[in-house]
Amino acid sequence: DQQVKQNSPSLSVQEGRISILNCDYTNSMFDYFLWYKKYPAEGPTFLISISSIKDKNEDGRFTVFLNKSAKHLSLHIVPSQPGDSAVYFCAASAGDNYGQNFVFGPGTRLSVLP
Amino acid sequence: KAGVTQTPRYLIKTRGQQVTLSCSPISGHRSVSWYQQTPGQGLQFLFEYFSETQRNKGNFPGRFSGRQFSNSRSEMNVSTLELGDSALYLCASSVWTSGNEQFFGPGTRLTVL
Repeated sequence: DQQVKQNSPSLSVQEGRISILNCDYTNSMFDYFLWYKKYPAEGPTFLISISSIKDKNEDGRFTVFLNKSAKHLSLHIVPSQPGDSAVYFCAASAGDNYGQNFVFGPGTRLSVLP
Repeated sequence: KAGVTQTPRYLIKTRGQQVTLSCSPISGHRSVSWYQQTPGQGLQFLFEYFSETQRNKGNFPGRFSGRQFSNSRSEMNVSTLELGDSALYLCASSVWTSGNEQFFGPGTRLTVL
């Protein structure tokens, strides 16, 4: 049973428009969420995170929104650029000080078309 | 600061063999986690080590094991390889506290024939 779901395997967006990547989770104990970007032949790169005490976190063109009641988060990229084309993973963690166990979603492949 | 390094980058083995993968974390990072990535499955958590102790373990069979050395370097071992073990194995390191983002290495691509 997948605890972190990314129901869109792929997404295509025109350059300059907004990209919205969605992520749903089932475990109400998750309290820390991250987004990673992955290019082929490279490891995932951390993008942005959000703690459950917030509902929004912004970093440049990237904004993550968290809706705890719906157990849903989304990553907005504005404006989208061709270099944003990659696989995006959502990850969640039930934080404690005794270890890190990040649960990752299956990923969404974003294609930004010039 | 050097990033996470993994060796080897590519590996081809046959069924029944065993394999050892190596990971060197970022200097100062004490937590090392291992993940398996297969198409359509995303990243599946294998285990996490901190100060030479396994702190967390995912749902993988006992054929998958690991260890961490005093310098925080980590190794992962898979015994009696199966075709389904073909995957990209990623190592990630982070500072000791929970909630810190992880920094990933480039991965080791394992192919089992």
